[in-house]
Amino acid sequence: DAGVIQSPRHEVTEMGQEVTLRCKPISGHDYLFWYRQTMMRGLELLIYFNNNVPIDDSGMPEDRFSAKMPNASFSTLKIQPSEPRDSAVYFCASSLGAGRSTDTQYFGPGTRLTVL
Amino acid sequence: GNSVTQMEGPVTLSEEAFLTINCTYTATGYPSLFWYVQYPGEGLQLLLKATKADDKGSNKGFEATYRKETTSFHLEKGSVQVSDSAVYFCALSGGYSTLTFGKGTMLLVSP
Repeated sequence: DAGVIQSPRHEVTEMGQEVTLRCKPISGHDYLFWYRQTMMRGLELLIYFNNNVPIDDSGMPEDRFSAKMPNASFSTLKIQPSEPRDSAVYFCASSLGAGRSTDTQYFGPGTRLTVL
Repeated sequence: GNSVTQMEGPVTLSEEAFLTINCTYTATGYPSLFWYVQYPGEGLQLLLKATKADDKGSNKGFEATYRKETTSFHLEKGSVQVSDSAVYFCALSGGYSTLTFGKGTMLLVSP
């Protein structure tokens, strides 16, 4: 399996622009997670889906952030408008499980976002 | 709520030295515990896990034992290599597949 695929790997944009990050989970996995990693705050869970349905978006920092999962093989995280404080590495992860605590998450390589 | 505390880094060691990275947790119920590793420029990879008290997870020479009495899951390796240089994350899962991560500990191994 190719693993979790994220695109783009690097994104540089200017403040106010719309940014869309993309993720393809491992085939057959029914959970998908979006994380943000910064030096100051470490790894933060933004939102996660189960069978394409958003389950918990309490980690989404504000209304500028939105995430969708139109089908089992694709998800997007959108920031509109972007701000410099959104600069971070964004990870997507997927897991196969039944919502058990033993489930292993598999991470993509991340998208490094820089907002100027 | 759930939380994970791990020792701050960087941890700097010479090749073949013994490694310990401390991790303690706070959680309700019976969480599973994980160690993930992140190499430079890459995503996180599962290193090992333990799903119940007294379980020992092991992989690539690394070990960690789930100690419920001390709420700890310390990572150890008997002889580190330069290639082990990375950031190590302790995490717990209390259910519904979600993970709570520690802040990560950077390990630097010199030849």
